[in-house]
Amino acid sequence: SAVISQKPSRDICQRGTSLTIQCQVDSQVTMMFWYRQQPGQSLTLIATANQGSEATYESGFVIDKFPISRPNLTFSTLTVSNMSPEDSSIYLCSVDTQGAGEQYFGPGTRLTVT
Amino acid sequence: EDQVTQSPEALRLQEGESSSLNCSYTVSGLRGLFWYRQDPGKGPEFLFTLYSAGEEKEKERLKATLTKKESFLHITAPKPEDSATYLCAVRPWGGYNKLIFGAGTRLAVHP
Repeated sequence: SAVISQKPSRDICQRGTSLTIQCQVDSQVTMMFWYRQQPGQSLTLIATANQGSEATYESGFVIDKFPISRPNLTFSTLTVSNMSPEDSSIYLCSVDTQGAGEQYFGPGTRLTVT
Repeated sequence: EDQVTQSPEALRLQEGESSSLNCSYTVSGLRGLFWYRQDPGKGPEFLFTLYSAGEEKEKERLKATLTKKESFLHITAPKPEDSATYLCAVRPWGGYNKLIFGAGTRLAVHP
């Protein structure tokens, strides 16, 4: 398993601005993932962020809107750019520590865009 | 298209009343099926991984089983602290280690 922290835990932002969410892991991991969980819904994968390579985005998500950095094996950031109220959601990072598929999640960042 | 469907959407049980949650999946090839528990305001907590039909895993009052088309999460004699949303996810072959989640079952256990 892994201990994962995210910052901020929540934020209220104005439309048109950007927010960067940080994800810190207590051990070195190759595979990190970013998910979105809209109110009352399940998790949707935004992108996979492996250290040393460009992030891989899922259909419907683009780098200009959700740029990701992965500077080392314990840290990643997700930026939500040019925000609109539709971006109000919980954003979660996760890691796969053993390559077996099971992912461990951070506590999430609750974003509200007004 | 890979898809995961969970039922029921919500389930209300009395303490001690056993039941099962269902996860049906359609996937090109299954590399693993995962169960998670999510409490309000928190990230999902990993429970089980199942890899092949016939496999079973247990943890306290929870038991997960897998067939070729679906998985069940059996809850035996639940307690109020078992109240949570239970999420099922599949890992398809060729999916770059991605997980595809179902919408979840919201379980409420009343004393």
